[in-house]
Amino acid sequence: NAGVMQNPRHLVRRRGQEARLRCSPMKGHSHVYWYRQLPEEGLKFMVYLQKENIIDESGMPKERFSAEFPKEGPSILRIQQVVRGDSAAYFCASSPLPGISNYGYTFGSGTRLTVV
Amino acid sequence: SQQGEEDPQALSIQEGENATMNCSYKTSINNLQWYRQNSGRGLVHLILIRSNEREKHSGRLRVTLDTSKKSSSLLITASRAADTASYFCATDFQGGSEKLVFGKGTKLTVNP
Repeated sequence: NAGVMQNPRHLVRRRGQEARLRCSPMKGHSHVYWYRQLPEEGLKFMVYLQKENIIDESGMPKERFSAEFPKEGPSILRIQQVVRGDSAAYFCASSPLPGISNYGYTFGSGTRLTVV
Repeated sequence: SQQGEEDPQALSIQEGENATMNCSYKTSINNLQWYRQNSGRGLVHLILIRSNEREKHSGRLRVTLDTSKKSSSLLITASRAADTASYFCATDFQGGSEKLVFGKGTKLTVNP
């Protein structure tokens, strides 16, 4: 089991371009969570998805950001028309069931987005 | 906001010493977790303590939880240089969704 896989590890975009971040959850996990980490900060919740459904998007900006978790394939976090303030590390976590087990969430290594 | 807050923000100790980090939160919780993050890497889950538990051990880690004070502490005994990392507490609050609320972390440096 390869764990939670995120790609790319590093992504550089110019202002106004689109950024697409991918997250493949652990095998057998159907719940995915996206978090954003600004420099020297903790992680901030963005969105929680189950296969083909958005369960909680309360942490996601209303504009330019969207997320999906299709029946087949990875979860995608999409940022349109990126701005410098979008520069951050974006982490994905997965779990087999809703709620938190004794083992916590399994996080990927993140995608570091730099907007120039 | 019911964000957890870690204290201290930074801690520098010598190898072999113990490191204690504290976390405070604002609302009632179901669970509190501690994670470690090495520089430029993802988060690694260390330990979870439930709201009805007061203390938990895992190897060199000891976590306490005081729900009356809304605080938790993480103790790393006999620290090693490899323990150098940032440590975050995360809470999921009662009545909320599965999302975790993280503090800003404690940056621990263990000097060889």
